[in-house]
Amino acid sequence: GAGVSQTPSNKVTEKGKYVELRCDPISGHTALYWYRQSLGQGPEFLIYFQGTGAADDSGLPNDRFFAVRPEGSVSTLKIQRTERGDSAVYLCASSPIRGGPLDEQFFGPGTRLTVL
Amino acid sequence: DAKTTQPNSMESNEEEPVHLPCNHSTISGTDYIHWYRQLPSQGPEYVIHGLTSNVNNRMASLAIAEDRKSSTLILHRATLRDAAVYYCILRDFGNEKLTFGTGTRLTIIP
Repeated sequence: GAGVSQTPSNKVTEKGKYVELRCDPISGHTALYWYRQSLGQGPEFLIYFQGTGAADDSGLPNDRFFAVRPEGSVSTLKIQRTERGDSAVYLCASSPIRGGPLDEQFFGPGTRLTVL
Repeated sequence: DAKTTQPNSMESNEEEPVHLPCNHSTISGTDYIHWYRQLPSQGPEYVIHGLTSNVNNRMASLAIAEDRKSSTLILHRATLRDAAVYYCILRDFGNEKLTFGTGTRLTIIP
């Protein structure tokens, strides 16, 4: 079956621009996560959705970052006034139930964002 | 969050067993031990998890020390496709996110 998909796979933008990154989770998965991975590091949590609501946004680095999931399926991560330090691979994951230690997370291939 | 410690890198010969260690001396009684791996240019993928007893699945085995302060991921017969970064992660109820460290980069020698 279809896994988690993310678009675009690569995004190059200029400093100060606005970008949107899209995540299509596995159908029926209620939990959705965004992570960010810098070169040589493990992924870092950004935000977690349970259905349409953001249940934990404690990982968002500042108010330039925002994410939505209006219908409880597709999610969009939005970054305003991009900075060179935002360059990273942005990963999306979904899980079937409510999340928690018994659920595995299924990851997409990521979007590589480069801010020039 | 309880912390895990893993070696930065390991090498193994193809078709040999691989034992990837993880220390988690501050683990709590309700923390589950999860392993994920990340192949080059891909997102992480789930490998296995356990609480107290050793676990086996089609990908690997997880051996958990009796005091739960350490665990070992066992790949029974490594192939070139097992070359990846392996992450050991502790998860508890109410902790929805995965907290990744830097993991162990496993290199398989043909």
